[in-house]
Amino acid sequence: DTEVTQTPKHLVMGMTNKKSLKCEQHMGHRAMYWYKQKAKKPPELMFVYSYEKLSINESVPSRFSPECPNSSLLNLHLHALQPEDSALYLCASSQVGQFYGYTFGSGTRLTVV
Amino acid sequence: GQNIDQPTEMTATEGAIVQINCTYQTSGFNGLFWYQQHAGEAPTFLSYNVLDGLEEKGRFSSFLSRSKGYSYLLLKELQMKDSASYLCAVRDPGATDSWGKLQFGAGTQVVVTP
Repeated sequence: DTEVTQTPKHLVMGMTNKKSLKCEQHMGHRAMYWYKQKAKKPPELMFVYSYEKLSINESVPSRFSPECPNSSLLNLHLHALQPEDSALYLCASSQVGQFYGYTFGSGTRLTVV
Repeated sequence: GQNIDQPTEMTATEGAIVQINCTYQTSGFNGLFWYQQHAGEAPTFLSYNVLDGLEEKGRFSSFLSRSKGYSYLLLKELQMKDSASYLCAVRDPGATDSWGKLQFGAGTQVVVTP
């Protein structure tokens, strides 16, 4: 299995809703990432997990809450989002270490109304 | 932090060759990656350079000069399916877990015409 699976593929939520994005990989990667990508812009790093511990938080607002329950799963909990948070949310994983590139999931297209 | 520059768009005809340049400015460097991204899809890994020189993978080649802060991605024998955005990404050594922080350029949209 060489894939990163993200669910759901599309999500529409209101500003008062609570929802979660899910990411799963079975490649034995011990580093997992959340990126946010707006249209025609590069992916922007949000969070990095290393060995199931949060190692980097790029000053992301608290309405985004990551969770890594085990080495295969990564969640992003969403609460009280704003319309400007609408974007493609990409999950990625990699081996730990500088020589390894990321494997990206196909993303969740989020629309906040 | 990193400053990563690449052209916004390039157009080429099917069967031709296109070279996408990427320049970066950083206090440190732990490797440069190239990714391909089709519209609405996830980026897919193309190549990795950490030492100076050329890496060849089929129709795609990537070159790195660390002293010049410069890389290029060469796409040969262009096909229509190569129309996509090509992202240059540099590993940032400045963070605590520096191995894990990949910073992306804005991407170069390549348009392949018949």
